[in-house]
Amino acid sequence: SQTIHQWPATLVQPVGSPLSLECTVEGTSNPNLYWYRQAAGRGLQLLFYSVGIGQISSEVPQNLSASRPQDRQFILSSKKLLLSDSGFYLCASEGTGVYEQYFGPGTRLTVT
Amino acid sequence: GDSVTQMEGPVTLSEEAFLTINCTYTATGYPSLFWYVQYPGEGLQLLLKATKADDKGSNKGFEATYRKETTSFHLEKGSVQVSDSAVYFCALSDYRGSARQLTFGSGTQLTVLP
Repeated sequence: SQTIHQWPATLVQPVGSPLSLECTVEGTSNPNLYWYRQAAGRGLQLLFYSVGIGQISSEVPQNLSASRPQDRQFILSSKKLLLSDSGFYLCASEGTGVYEQYFGPGTRLTVT
Repeated sequence: GDSVTQMEGPVTLSEEAFLTINCTYTATGYPSLFWYVQYPGEGLQLLLKATKADDKGSNKGFEATYRKETTSFHLEKGSVQVSDSAVYFCALSDYRGSARQLTFGSGTQLTVLP
């Protein structure tokens, strides 16, 4: 089965600072990978997905970007954080069975 | 587009009570359906799944049946425990763009009291 790692677990950053969140996957190869954001008390919003190295699809226009430099590595970035970027960021990897997704433990980002 | 509507929460039950969390969906194709659970401060865990009409997904005493005629996938458990306290998300998987994507409901907060 797959294991998804995310770091850091928590992050407090000032407005205008850069961001880099990392996600790595074990136990599978060439997975579809996903970044979600979960605002407090709300559901999940799909931000980006990737079907392969260097292939990124954006679902929501914003000041965030994503990259996939290796098969099992997915990075979420920003050049300048906004207060509205605060939230819980989850990385997910698609399973090889019936298209379920497996989630990492998440990164709690607070922009101050 | 695809959408998932979940029962509004929060839901508070006593231990050993019967649980139902309603979920209905709208989709143009034939989606797979899922229930995920999220404990405080953690990521989502897949609870159960169903891929076609009349399939019943089950895990840890939870069950849900894929009802195509009513476009529903209600979550049930006969006797809840305090440890079941969490947020539950209903989701469907369908092909959009270049990959399968999950569409989530808004989540239902469940609190079980001893």
